Amino acid sequence: DAKTTQPNSMESNEEEPVHLPCNHSTISGTDYIHWYRQLPSQGPEYVIHGLTSNVNNRMASLAIAEDRKSSTLILHRATLRDAAVYYCILRDGSDGTASKLTFGTGTRLQVTL
Amino acid sequence: AAGVIQSPRHLIKEKRETATLKCYPIPRHDTVYWYQQGPGQDPQFLISFYEKMQSDKGSIPDRFSAQQFSDYHSELNMSSLELGDSALYFCASSSNPENSPLHFGNGTRLTVT
Repeated sequence: DAKTTQPNSMESNEEEPVHLPCNHSTISGTDYIHWYRQLPSQGPEYVIHGLTSNVNNRMASLAIAEDRKSSTLILHRATLRDAAVYYCILRDGSDGTASKLTFGTGTRLQVTL
Repeated sequence: AAGVIQSPRHLIKEKRETATLKCYPIPRHDTVYWYQQGPGQDPQFLISFYEKMQSDKGSIPDRFSAQQFSDYHSELNMSSLELGDSALYFCASSSNPENSPLHFGNGTRLTVT
């Protein structure tokens, strides 16, 4: 599986936007970029995913670089409930089946008042 | 909306005993995944099933086995338990098409004493 690189931790103030970066320089053409987050004592939670174009949903936005070697997860207004470990994961979409997620070391986001 | 149900939530076993963890996927989801998360670690993929057939296998010990039944629920069987098997075990489910998000349960916390 292609690797991703994320900062170990980030801090944000509540109500401010947060930009979580992810580098994936060895991404292949069939890899989708997925983001999940894990709150304390809970299972991972899907946030957003994309292939080439920027994506928006109710939780976040995903900005994908033109060469696809990096991406940024954007939380528009961080709240205390957004404090979690955020995982950027490349998921192979080439074989037509629902492939596994391989979790690396994500970014621990701290949100303060 | 219905979520992934895992049972039991907590399980305490002694070394060399056996344990069975159960997972009930979201209705109409045909793919189930099992993950293990040790203390302070990231989730590690164990095994997955698609339409009741094993679809992928990760770092699952030979002492562990799993299957998906005709009603799509899955069970992870763990024998000859070791202290190092103490962890959170997550089940996730997804549907086709490929790259549908994984939906995780809240996990079973296994403690081996």
